[in-house]
Amino acid sequence: GAGVSQTPSNKVTEKGKYVELRCDPISGHTALYWYRQSLGQGPEFLIYFQGTGAADDSGLPNDRFFAVRPEGSVSTLKIQRTERGDSAVYLCASSPEGAWGNEQFFGPGTRLTVL
Amino acid sequence: AQRVTQPEKLLSVFKGAPVELKCNYSYSGSPELFWYVQYSRQRLQLLLRHISRESIKGFTADLNKGETSFHLKKPFAQEEDSAMYYCALGSRNAGNMLTFGGGTRLMVKP
Repeated sequence: GAGVSQTPSNKVTEKGKYVELRCDPISGHTALYWYRQSLGQGPEFLIYFQGTGAADDSGLPNDRFFAVRPEGSVSTLKIQRTERGDSAVYLCASSPEGAWGNEQFFGPGTRLTVL
Repeated sequence: AQRVTQPEKLLSVFKGAPVELKCNYSYSGSPELFWYVQYSRQRLQLLLRHISRESIKGFTADLNKGETSFHLKKPFAQEEDSAMYYCALGSRNAGNMLTFGGGTRLMVKP
C-alpha cells in the first residue's frame, strides 16, 4: 500500500515568508508526528497528533511554528516569518496508534531552504 | 531529560569484517529503543526494536540497562549495509515520540 507522502519535496523561500508543508499519513494511522532534521544531525521531535488533536507540541521551537490535522488524516505544518535557521528537512511519520513501542513510518521529507 | 548519544559520526569497515555501532542513552524510566536506517536516496525506516529481540538483515542489538547502551552489531558486514544508522529512544509519556541520536554513517568497503 501507499506509504507516508509529503509535499512539496523541496521548498525554497525567502526570509520572512510564510510556508506550509503537507503530510499524508498511511490510511488508518491515528498517530502522526513531525520531526525536523538539520544538516548532520538526527531528527528532532516537533509535534505529535493523536487523531485531530495535538497531544504534544513541546518540540515546536517557537510560536512561528504551528501544525493542524483538522480531519484526523492530512496534516499541515505552518511556519510564519521564516528565518534562515529554519532551513532543514521536515519529516512526517505516522503510526497505527501512538502506543509505546509502535513502529513509526516515515515520509520522504520536505527540504526547506530559507534564503 | 532523555538523550541518545552515538559517538561515531563515521564508521568505515571492509566487507566481511564485524561491525558495532554504538548507542548510549539516558532516560529515567523503562526505555524503548529502536534502530532506524536510511539507505541512499531512501526514507528512514525501522531496522529493529529491542522488545522484539529479533535479528534483521543479520543485525542484532541488546539492551544493556546497566551500561545504558543499545549497540548494533553484525558479525560480517556487507556492502549493501552502507547507510546512515540512527538510534532512537521512545517516550512513554508522549505517544512514543522518538528522541534520535546524531546518526552514524556506515561505509562498507569492498
